[in-house]
Amino acid sequence: AAGVIQSPRHLIKEKRETATLKCYPIPRHDTVYWYQQGPGQDPQFLISFYEKMQSDKGSIPDRFSAQQFSDYHSELNMSSLELGDSALYFCASRRGGRSAQYFGPGTRLTVL
Amino acid sequence: DAKTTQPNSMESNEEEPVHLPCNHSTISGTDYIHWYRQLPSQGPEYVIHGLTSNVNNRMASLAIAEDRKSSTLILHRATLRDAAVYYCILRAPTAGGTSYGKLTFGQGTILTVHP
Repeated sequence: AAGVIQSPRHLIKEKRETATLKCYPIPRHDTVYWYQQGPGQDPQFLISFYEKMQSDKGSIPDRFSAQQFSDYHSELNMSSLELGDSALYFCASRRGGRSAQYFGPGTRLTVL
Repeated sequence: DAKTTQPNSMESNEEEPVHLPCNHSTISGTDYIHWYRQLPSQGPEYVIHGLTSNVNNRMASLAIAEDRKSSTLILHRATLRDAAVYYCILRAPTAGGTSYGKLTFGQGTILTVHP
């Protein structure tokens, strides 16, 4: 079965640079979630989209923005990167009316 | 969000049943009880969810107390591949626009399975 695809899987950036993470949800899933997991931490919700509109917002820094496109894929844009942004970033998708979220393999971002 | 409490860690032997407890004494009447697990170096994985009745699927069983203030995830025969962090999460219903389904992860239970 198709799973959530995230790219790139690994990303290394310098401080103050920008990064773009991409997420391709499972076909027919209309909701996308982004989570951040710092080293030794539990995943923390950042933001979600339902039918291409932002539906919920968590502890996402103002330096980050995200959107969901017409084909339902989503991108997380991160600017002015800081050392503390080094983390695993997970995307998850869910089909409307269903409960389960399906997570991608994550993008490991390292900020030097 | 209502809070859940889980033991920091548990151990089990391979092929034995495992009962992972979760306390959620402040659960609201409409919160669903979700369980996810995270294997090393992987994204979280959905395990099971329920509202009031006990639930079974191919991965596990979920036993929910009558007052809904606690629940137990049951792995019937633990394997080495079940070693993971198990998260018990309360989630408001998505119907009616009250929630869009975000998951609030707390401290989960690290399950170690011995051969």
